[in-house]
Amino acid sequence: GENVEQHPSTLSVQEGDSAVIKCTYSDSASNYFPWYKQELGKRPQLIIDIRSNVGEKKDQRIAVTLNKTAKHFSLHITETQPEDSAVYFCAASGSTGFQKLVFGTGTRLLVSP
Amino acid sequence: DVKVTQSSRYLVKRTGEKVFLECVQDMDHENMFWYRQDPGLGLRLIYFSYDVKMKEKGDIPEGYSVSREKKERFSLILESASTNQTSMYLCARTDPPYGYTFGSGTRLTVV
Repeated sequence: GENVEQHPSTLSVQEGDSAVIKCTYSDSASNYFPWYKQELGKRPQLIIDIRSNVGEKKDQRIAVTLNKTAKHFSLHITETQPEDSAVYFCAASGSTGFQKLVFGTGTRLLVSP
Repeated sequence: DVKVTQSSRYLVKRTGEKVFLECVQDMDHENMFWYRQDPGLGLRLIYFSYDVKMKEKGDIPEGYSVSREKKERFSLILESASTNQTSMYLCARTDPPYGYTFGSGTRLTVV
């Protein structure tokens, strides 16, 4: 089955810096790669996603890139703000259908003022 | 606004008890999921269901079962709760084309 690895597990940056979180996946048939943000005590919420027919997608300060050949995808946050502090999860849909997502282990991002 | 509602935010149960975690969605989508979330382990899939009375095992089904008698309700059952099942449990439903919508979670403590 699909396996998703996520790095780093923790990331500390200064406000205004950029942050990059990387994930690799194992199933070459996976075709959907969402990113979720989970603030303390809250549910994970989708912030951006990318499908396998696209190499990059941007939404204001966040972007996701996908390298299908290398089977890795990354989340990029520019001009970080304290409210970006949260746990971020990457995920990949395996080839088994039913829109089942396999999640990475999460990255705790801390943005210091 | 799509809603996925988990009936309990916090639960404390005793070892050996049978525990029911309830999840209700307000749409007519087929796919629903139960994950558990543990620090350093991310979200791991326990069971999922793609229609009424249909269920599939996820990656960590041992010690759990599920019930889907109506499309909007998906229940997770701990047959005999153990301390290693202390965790945050998250229900989700698909929200095409936007991935999942999660419930607010149930933090279960087994003592």
